[in-house]
Amino acid sequence: SQQGEEDPQALSIQEGENATMNCSYKTSINNLQWYRQNSGRGLVHLILIRSNEREKHSGRLRVTLDTSKKSSSLLITASRAADTASYFCATSGTYKYIFGTGTRLKVLA
Amino acid sequence: ETGVTQTPRHLVMGMTNKKSLKCEQHLGHNAMYWYKQSAKKPLELMFVYNFKEQTENNSVPSRFSPECPNSSHLFLHLHTLQPEDSALYLCASSQAGLQNTGELFFGEGSRLTVL
Repeated sequence: SQQGEEDPQALSIQEGENATMNCSYKTSINNLQWYRQNSGRGLVHLILIRSNEREKHSGRLRVTLDTSKKSSSLLITASRAADTASYFCATSGTYKYIFGTGTRLKVLA
Repeated sequence: ETGVTQTPRHLVMGMTNKKSLKCEQHLGHNAMYWYKQSAKKPLELMFVYNFKEQTENNSVPSRFSPECPNSSHLFLHLHTLQPEDSALYLCASSQAGLQNTGELFFGEGSRLTVL
C-alpha cells in the first residue's frame, strides 16, 4: 500500500521565496527521507530524519517530523531556479523504502 | 555520478521482444532495488535483493524477471511486455540492515517504451 503522500502535488513560487512541502504516511517508520528528482533523471537523496528526531537542517533545507501525526515537512529557504524539480518523501522499514507521489516544485526566475 | 549505472538509458521494444535492463553499483552496497516510475503515479517498488537474495517481489507480473548474479549487478529481463509497461525503470542500491537507516543511491534510469 502507498505509504507517503506529498502535499501539494504542485507548487510554483518566485525565486527567493520559501517552499514548503508536506508528507503524510500511514505506519510506523525507522526514518523518513526526502529525495529530489530532476525531470527524467534518477532520484537524489537530500536529507534523512530518524524517528526519534523532530527537526533537522542541511544548508537551505529544514525537515520536521511529527510521528504522532505521521507527517513530515520539507522547507527550502531562499529558493533558486535550480531548485525546480520533483520532491519525494520516502519511509523505510526493513529492506524497503516506500515513496510518495511527489511534489512538483517550479521556481520562477 | 551516483555510483549506480544503468544501461541502456532508452529502450524501445515491441510487445514480442525480449530485452534486458542492466544495473551496476560501485558503492559496495549489499542491497539493490528495481522501481518503476509511471506518469502521475508513485514510485512502485518492484524487487529487492539483499546479499543477492530476493527479499521482495511486490506482486510484479512474470513478464518481468529479475536476476542478481552478485551484489554489484542487477538485471531486469523483459519479455512479452504490454504498452502500459512503458515507464522509467530506476535501479537503486543501499547499505541495508535490519534497522534500515541508509540512503538509497539511484541510477539515472532506463526509459522504456513498449510499442
